[in-house]
Amino acid sequence: GEDVEQSLFLSVREGDSSVINCTYTDSSSTYLYWYKQEPGAGLQLLTYIFSNMDMKQDQRLTVLLNKKDKHLSLRIADTQTGDSAIYFCGLTGGGNKLTFGTGTQLKVEL
Amino acid sequence: EAQVTQNPRYLITVTGKKLTVTCSQNMNHEYMSWYRQDPGLGLRQIYYSMNVEVTDKGDVPEGYKVSRKEKRNFPLILESPSPNQTSLYFCASSWNSGQETQYFGPGTRLLVL
Repeated sequence: GEDVEQSLFLSVREGDSSVINCTYTDSSSTYLYWYKQEPGAGLQLLTYIFSNMDMKQDQRLTVLLNKKDKHLSLRIADTQTGDSAIYFCGLTGGGNKLTFGTGTQLKVEL
Repeated sequence: EAQVTQNPRYLITVTGKKLTVTCSQNMNHEYMSWYRQDPGLGLRQIYYSMNVEVTDKGDVPEGYKVSRKEKRNFPLILESPSPNQTSLYFCASSWNSGQETQYFGPGTRLLVL
């Protein structure tokens, strides 16, 4: 099955850029997602990228996909305290399954 | 308002006492799924359903049952809960496959004593 890995924690200062990384093993992934989970809440879709794309930008969010290295990243520009949350990458491979990474806890410090 | 709802949101129970967590969506989605979230393990899929009367196992189905008698509802059943099923559970739905954007419910926090 698919293995999806993320680092567990990331701490940044307000106003800096945050980069959250995700590595995976299944090269057949079709859609690659980033979800955000705020405390006590469910997962909210932030953005996604198709496997035939290298980059997608959406306001402060930039998603980069390196298919050769099986590496997905989410960059948040001008990180704010409201960005503090857990971020999950998710990938769909063969079949009808969405596999999530372990989640990265982003802490934004003043 | 388009949404996925779960009930109850919080539940404390004892080992062996059967329980059901309900999930309902109002978006006419065909695909529904259950996940459990545990620290350091992320979200793991328990069961999913492609449509009415069509269900299949995810990564961690042991100890769980599901049913899909109606399109909008996808209850999760724990016939004999055990402490290792203490977790945060999420229901999700999407249009017609797990490869499309999934919409998540608010979560159900379960404690099995």
